[in-house]
Amino acid sequence: GAGVSQSPSNKVTEKGKDVELRCDPISGHTALYWYRQSLGQGLEFLIYFQGNSAPDKSGLPSDRFSAERTGGSVSTLTIQRTQQEDSAVYLCASSEKYEQYFGPGTRLTVT
Amino acid sequence: EDQVTQSPEALRLQEGESSSLNCSYTVSGLRGLFWYRQDPGKGPEFLFTLYSAGEEKEKERLKATLTKKESFLHITAPKPEDSATYLCAVLEAGNNRKLIWGLGTSLAVNP
Repeated sequence: GAGVSQSPSNKVTEKGKDVELRCDPISGHTALYWYRQSLGQGLEFLIYFQGNSAPDKSGLPSDRFSAERTGGSVSTLTIQRTQQEDSAVYLCASSEKYEQYFGPGTRLTVT
Repeated sequence: EDQVTQSPEALRLQEGESSSLNCSYTVSGLRGLFWYRQDPGKGPEFLFTLYSAGEEKEKERLKATLTKKESFLHITAPKPEDSATYLCAVLEAGNNRKLIWGLGTSLAVNP
């Protein structure tokens, strides 16, 4: 069946602009997770959703970052007033129980 | 502080040379331990879940084992296509479904 999909696959933006990253989870998966991975670094947890609510948003780096999930399906991660340190790969994962299944990621470059 | 430590950071093997990767963890209660494989430019790919000490899982040349404080990923007679970063993550007992991730072991298998 279809896996987790993310769009766009690559995004280049100018410093100070806002960006939206999209995640389509596996159908039926109730939990959805956002991570950030900088070059050569580990996975940095950002936020997770159970249904449409976010029990844990402790990993969001600043108030420039926000995320929402609607209809228990698609999620959008928004970064406002992007900074160069926001450049990274943003990964989305979904799960039905405990195992998380990842999408291919969105590579964000802030120039 | 809850944490997951993987060793070694990097490992280089000759094709056919078996070895093991280690993942040690400190959490107050373990709900599950997960192994993933990540290829460059891709999202992590789920390999195994282990729930209790003494449990073992196998897939092709990989076998994962679990004790009360650590897990091993044994690679038997590796091939160059096994080259990747192997990530370990732990889910703590409780209601939060956030995984605690290690930094990974980068494995290179030379032909």
